[in-house]
Amino acid sequence: DAKTTQPTSMDCAEGRAANLPCNHSTISGNEYVYWYRQIHSQGPQYIIHGLKNNETNEMASLIITEDRKSSTLILPHATLRDTAVYYCIATERGATNKLIFGTGTLLAVQP
Amino acid sequence: GAVVSQHPSWVICKSGTSVKIECRSLDFQATTMFWYRQFPKQSLMLMATSNEGSKATYEQGVEKDKFLINHASLTLSTLTVTSAHPEDSSFYICSASSGRIQPQHFGDGTRLSIL
Repeated sequence: DAKTTQPTSMDCAEGRAANLPCNHSTISGNEYVYWYRQIHSQGPQYIIHGLKNNETNEMASLIITEDRKSSTLILPHATLRDTAVYYCIATERGATNKLIFGTGTLLAVQP
Repeated sequence: GAVVSQHPSWVICKSGTSVKIECRSLDFQATTMFWYRQFPKQSLMLMATSNEGSKATYEQGVEKDKFLINHASLTLSTLTVTSAHPEDSSFYICSASSGRIQPQHFGDGTRLSIL
């Protein structure tokens, strides 16, 4: 699996967009970018994933650069409940493919 | 859909006892489930891959005789921490996917405290 690099922490004002970056410069052609988040004392929650096209769902948008070496997760209107550790993981898609978690980004949404 | 349930959510027991944690996929079948461990202020660490009907695959450094994994059906995997000691106290989390192209979904974790 490709190694990913994320900032240790970020702040965001409530109601504003939160943009979380992730570098995955060694990603291979068949590896997807997955985003999960973990709210304190809970299991991780799946957010979104993509291969090369930008993706959007009810939770967030994922913007992947054309060279696929980096991506940005966008929470359009952050709320206090979005405060969590956000993990970016690059791995092949499949039910049997394990996820290797890095240290993630602690997003603190401020009132 | 794709709900994963863990039980118990919290357990305290004496040193030397064995503790069983259950992971169930409630609305889908999972041939593969994963078990993770997370220590305070650290990230999730994959312990093993649980395969239905066969032996689990353990990550390097994880003792298979210490952490027994059974995946007897397509909706249930269990992790038994044998002869638990205080250093085994941790947050244990399982995950599963409903299909080849579906993302993994996680249980809410089990907080294990060994006295």
